[in-house]
Amino acid sequence: SQQGEEDPQALSIQEGENATMNCSYKTSINNLQWYRQNSGRGLVHLILIRSNEREKHSGRLRVTLDTSKKSSSLLITASRAADTASYFCATPGGGADGLTFGKGTHLIIQP
Amino acid sequence: DAGVIQSPRHEVTEMGQEVTLRCKPISGHDYLFWYRQTMMRGLELLIYFNNNVPIDDSGMPEDRFSAKMPNASFSTLKIQPSEPRDSAVYFCASARSSKTYTIYFGEGSWLTVV
Repeated sequence: SQQGEEDPQALSIQEGENATMNCSYKTSINNLQWYRQNSGRGLVHLILIRSNEREKHSGRLRVTLDTSKKSSSLLITASRAADTASYFCATPGGGADGLTFGKGTHLIIQP
Repeated sequence: DAGVIQSPRHEVTEMGQEVTLRCKPISGHDYLFWYRQTMMRGLELLIYFNNNVPIDDSGMPEDRFSAKMPNASFSTLKIQPSEPRDSAVYFCASARSSKTYTIYFGEGSWLTVV
């Protein structure tokens, strides 16, 4: 079963613009992670935010977490063509140790 | 570190054939996960191991699927017999146990069953 759902499913912007992706989840969590997947490749971890954190930065990435709304957002500032990829949010899955992933947001950066 | 290594990267097989996917996790990681990715269903957790022991296989679609981890550095996912609906990308991933951990993915095995 899927815990997180990303929105929008697809996003196309011009290089240099900011890209914002959202994730909603269903049950309480102690952390939320974002991953990136380039075409034909495996997923790569980007950032983890804990439930007691509201915002976290890593380079051009900014992640927010609102546990009251069960939602998170990923902002990529000053986007580059190399940011073209699918982005997934992931949450601890139920009683299992594995992460549960949403279906992802496919981001296209137009040069 | 070499990362998680999967083989084969691509496989095309005929319906009814046995398929074996292989994975070498990152050294020192004690969790190993098998995921399947399709357009329709996204990423699904099939099974995971902790210290080589299968912990949860509730995501395995049916008895045609089996997974083993004979030692800390090797795991297999087997499909027998394969069916066209098994066509997907199969990812192996590993992690080091901690209260909050990140998962490291291999590059995936692209399976096409015709």
